[in-house]
Amino acid sequence: DVKVTQSSRYLVKRTGEKVFLECVQDMDHENMFWYRQDPGLGLRLIYFSYDVKMKEKGDIPEGYSVSREKKERFSLILESASTNQTSMYLCASSLQSGPYEQYFGPGTRLTVT
Amino acid sequence: GDSVTQMEGPVTLSEEAFLTINCTYTATGYPSLFWYVQYPGEGLQLLLKATKADDKGSNKGFEATYRKETTSFHLEKGSVQVSDSAVYFCAGWSSTLGRLYFGRGTQLTVWP
Repeated sequence: DVKVTQSSRYLVKRTGEKVFLECVQDMDHENMFWYRQDPGLGLRLIYFSYDVKMKEKGDIPEGYSVSREKKERFSLILESASTNQTSMYLCASSLQSGPYEQYFGPGTRLTVT
Repeated sequence: GDSVTQMEGPVTLSEEAFLTINCTYTATGYPSLFWYVQYPGEGLQLLLKATKADDKGSNKGFEATYRKETTSFHLEKGSVQVSDSAVYFCAGWSSTLGRLYFGRGTQLTVWP
């Protein structure tokens, strides 16, 4: 079974802190994604990556950056956390580019106070 | 741009009732279409998909038919169970953007 793991289920940070959210997949997938999930807004894509060291902006990249140094790991970075970044963050991976199934991690619920 | 619109929730049903969750798409061409489900406390998982017009995706008693005439991909189940309580997301694949685009999700609650 494909497994996508996220470093934390719950995280509480203070405004202005630098926050790292880590995601690891164990199936040698090429593509990885970071989404943000908010009530009434569904899933919004923050960043995605089709290869190591490669990244593409999604719909809401402002205030975020990403890093993909190894194929299996995709990190989301909040350079200076703000309260409007309080949300559920979901990581996903897929085998390759195209209309293929995305496999999701369990999510990290981040609260910024 | 490419998008999907799904019916707003929440949807509340009694066990064994018939379920329909509407989804329509806007896209250039004919995108692959998906339904994902998110059970409480979990990430999303693929429920079913269809890659071309008139295809029917099915899984766990759920079905959806890709209808290009009405640009729709409605999710149906003949008899829901309490265990079907979840959030359901319609999604499409954009070949232009090279990624999925999701609807806003529909919360389903099934009562015994």
